Amino acid sequence: EIVMTQSPATLSVSPGERATLSCRASQSVSSNLAWYQQKPGQAPRLLIYGASTRATGIPARFSGSGSGTEFTLTISSLQSEDFAVYYCQQYNNWPPMFGQGTKVEIK
Amino acid sequence: EVQLVQSGAEVKKPGESLKISCKGSGYSFTSYWIGWVRQMPGKGLEWMGIIYPGDSDTRYSPSFQGQVTISADKSISTAYLQWSSLKASDTAMYYCARVPDTAMVIVDYWGQGTLVTVSS
Repeated sequence: EIVMTQSPATLSVSPGERATLSCRASQSVSSNLAWYQQKPGQAPRLLIYGASTRATGIPARFSGSGSGTEFTLTISSLQSEDFAVYYCQQYNNWPPMFGQGTKVEIK
Repeated sequence: EVQLVQSGAEVKKPGESLKISCKGSGYSFTSYWIGWVRQMPGKGLEWMGIIYPGDSDTRYSPSFQGQVTISADKSISTAYLQWSSLKASDTAMYYCARVPDTAMVIVDYWGQGTLVTVSS
C-alpha cells in the first residue's frame, strides 16, 4: 500500500499569512490526490481533488498543486475559520490512504 | 440536499457484537458507493472499505478485511458496518461517506459520525 507523509506535523501561522502544507506519496499517485479539512468535533470536509480542483463551495484562497509524489496545499491568507487539521489522501491505488495530518494553529 | 445520517453512539463490552447504520437521502442511493472511515481517539483517518448499494459489490482495505462486515439494504437506502466480536481497540469514531466512483475514492459527503466505545 502507498504511504502518505505530511509535513510539518504542526504549522503555526498568524491570521492573514500564507500557509503551505506538504504531502508526499511513497510512489506515484499521478494527480489522484485529495485534501480535506477537519475541525474539532466535526466530520472532515473535502477541499481539493485531482490535486488542484477545488470542491464545490471551497473559497479561492485554498489551492492545490503537484503530481506524482509531491503535493502542496496552499492557503493564501489564513482566516480564523481555517485553523484546523488538514489531511491529504491518495486514491490512485487500492486501498486509498490518508496522510497523518497537519495541524494549522494560530501563532 | 444530500444527507448521510448515522445511528447514535454506542457503548459495548469486549466480545459483544454491534451493527451501526448510515441512511442516505437527497440523492440516488444506488448510484454512489458508500465508504466507512475510522478515526481512533486523537488520531488520523483510515479507510475501512466501500460498498456499492446497487449490487452490494464490497471492497475492504487489507487492514480491515475479516475484522468487520460492510453491507447495505438498498430498499431503505441504508448502509451498515458490523462487528461480530468487539475489542477495546475498536473504540473510535466511525464515519460513513459518499464516494463518487471506484476510480475516484474520495468523500464528497460525510455522515456526522458514530462514536463506538468498547470497555469492560
